[in-house]
Amino acid sequence: DVKVTQSSRYLVKRTGEKVFLECVQDMDHENMFWYRQDPGLGLRLIYFSYDVKMKEKGDIPEGYSVSREKKERFSLILESASTNQTSMYLCASRSHGLADSYEQYFGPGTRLTVT
Amino acid sequence: KQEVTQIPAALSVPEGENLVLNCSFTDSAIYNLQWFRQDPGKGLTSLLLIQSSQREQTSGRLNASLDKSSGRSTLYIAASQPGDSATYLCAANTGGFKTIFGAGTRLFVKA
Repeated sequence: DVKVTQSSRYLVKRTGEKVFLECVQDMDHENMFWYRQDPGLGLRLIYFSYDVKMKEKGDIPEGYSVSREKKERFSLILESASTNQTSMYLCASRSHGLADSYEQYFGPGTRLTVT
Repeated sequence: KQEVTQIPAALSVPEGENLVLNCSFTDSAIYNLQWFRQDPGKGLTSLLLIQSSQREQTSGRLNASLDKSSGRSTLYIAASQPGDSATYLCAANTGGFKTIFGAGTRLFVKA
């Protein structure tokens, strides 16, 4: 079974703090994604990475950066947390190959509250 | 631009009932369509994935169908149970890096 883990289930940070959210997958997937999920807005793509050290902006990258130094790990960084970044953050991974059908696997989520 | 719509937004049924959740998409040029379940405060769990060349997929009491020509997919749940209560999301993959998610159908199965 594919396993995607996220470093924290719940996180409370203060405005202006630098926040790191970590995601690790154990299936040697090339592609990894960071989404945020908000009531009424659904899932929105923040950043994705198609391979090690490769990244692309999604729909809402402002205020975020990412790092992918190793294939299994994809980090989301909030350079200076703000209250409007209070949200559920979801990490996902998928293989990049026809045989694997592009199926996405999600982590358990991190509920971040910025006060 | 691909848009994914799920109807109804919420559904309440008595235990044992068979039910259908609907998902529609505007662009038929999809690579696959994936159904997920999400419990409150949790991540998404993949239920079924249908390739564009397939018509349906089955897993236990779940059956998902895909009709690309009409831009529709349905998730059929047989003999519903209280443990099926969750939000169900469908997602269309256009073959690139972006997946378009529906807003979900919140299902409540009454004991």
